[in-house]
Amino acid sequence: GAVVSQHPSRVICKSGTSVKIECRSLDFQATTMFWYRQFPKQSLMLMATSNEGSKATYEQGVEKDKFLINHASLTLSTLTVTSAHPEDSSFYICSAPPTPGANVLTFGAGSRLTVL
Amino acid sequence: QQQVKQSPQSLIVQKGGISIINCAYENTAFDYFPWYQQFPGKGPALLIAIRPDVSEKKEGRFTISFNKSAKQFSLHIMDSQPGDSATYFCAATYSNSGYSTLTFGKGTMLLVSP
Repeated sequence: GAVVSQHPSRVICKSGTSVKIECRSLDFQATTMFWYRQFPKQSLMLMATSNEGSKATYEQGVEKDKFLINHASLTLSTLTVTSAHPEDSSFYICSAPPTPGANVLTFGAGSRLTVL
Repeated sequence: QQQVKQSPQSLIVQKGGISIINCAYENTAFDYFPWYQQFPGKGPALLIAIRPDVSEKKEGRFTISFNKSAKQFSLHIMDSQPGDSATYFCAATYSNSGYSTLTFGKGTMLLVSP
């Protein structure tokens, strides 16, 4: 089945530094990937839609300059949290439809970001 | 804002019991209703899904009941086991412009006691 791999699974960084999270589709191509953010005991909030070869589409209220998304290939999307602050600490999860236009998404295992 | 309302927020069920989680939606354009299971520190995994032209779908111990007129659907976990303890999210989606997005409920934390 379709597998989405995320790396790193956990990262701790100092306030003011930038952190990059990678999301790879291992056995399928994903022209579109989705980045979610999840706070403890809360639901998943869509942050942005990552489109291969074009600019990402950000949800209302998500700072595009803070959360940089690059989707340079059909199997890799990256989320860079720039100048991270403690309030950016969260669980970030990427996902992709296993086939183009599929109604379901395959999720990665998530990346836990802790900003000190 | 399209919404999917999920209840209860948390649920404790004894081993062997039936766990029931309910969801309601507003947008009649939704045409696919998946349920996701998430264990702590992991990403959600698709559990079971249903389309509105079917009133019930069963996969093993998991059953979705769908009431189109009431715009409600529910997940039933029969013979609940401690390994079922997780957070469950209902979701709704529709196909549009070549890709799909999901609207999630707020989740239900299920604890199955031994």
